[in-house]
Amino acid sequence: DAGVTQSPTHLIKTRGQHVTLRCSPISGHKSVSWYQQVLGQGPQFIFQYYEKEERGRGNFPDRFSARQFPNYSSELNVNALLLGDSALYLCASRVRDSLLYGYTFGSGTRLTVV
Amino acid sequence: GEDVEQSLFLSVREGDSSVINCTYTDSSSTYLYWYKQEPGAGLQLLTYIFSNMDMKQDQRLTVLLNKKDKHLSLRIADTQTGDSAIYFCAEGWYSNASKIIFGSGTRLSIQP
Repeated sequence: DAGVTQSPTHLIKTRGQHVTLRCSPISGHKSVSWYQQVLGQGPQFIFQYYEKEERGRGNFPDRFSARQFPNYSSELNVNALLLGDSALYLCASRVRDSLLYGYTFGSGTRLTVV
Repeated sequence: GEDVEQSLFLSVREGDSSVINCTYTDSSSTYLYWYKQEPGAGLQLLTYIFSNMDMKQDQRLTVLLNKKDKHLSLRIADTQTGDSAIYFCAEGWYSNASKIIFGSGTRLSIQP
């Protein structure tokens, strides 16, 4: 079984640009979450989607948005990139929207903003 | 508030036990987790414990929870070189299943 897959694995963007990161959850997993991990820190919660609806949002500016598609894959969009957006962006999926089901994380997309 | 704190580094000899500690501030959390992150990889869920439990053992891993002191620990018995990684403590809430708060991680180094 394929795990959580994210694309691209690495990305370099210029300040002010826009970026789209993609995530395919494990087959059968309907819940997808996005986390930002700045170097040397733990992951910070950005969004969670379940059955294509937003179920949770972390403390991130409106420049960050996401959506989930009918096949449960997801996109994270970031507008007007800042240097501080440089980080590893992690996608995680689980079967249902419950703490009883642990998250499986992808290997992440490393975004560098220059 | 929600805050999870861990010490940044831990170094142990191969074959010894490793004990990684974590403190959290929100006593209403329902689940407490330990994740492992190897270089260049995502996070791997190692184990979790319900907030109404004191201890959970899973092969070489033992989790201890002290709710009074809001302290969580992960003991790895017979530490091996493959255990070298960053270990994250995290907490979750039944009332808000969407969000999990992570600590900053403890880097475990194994000395031969």
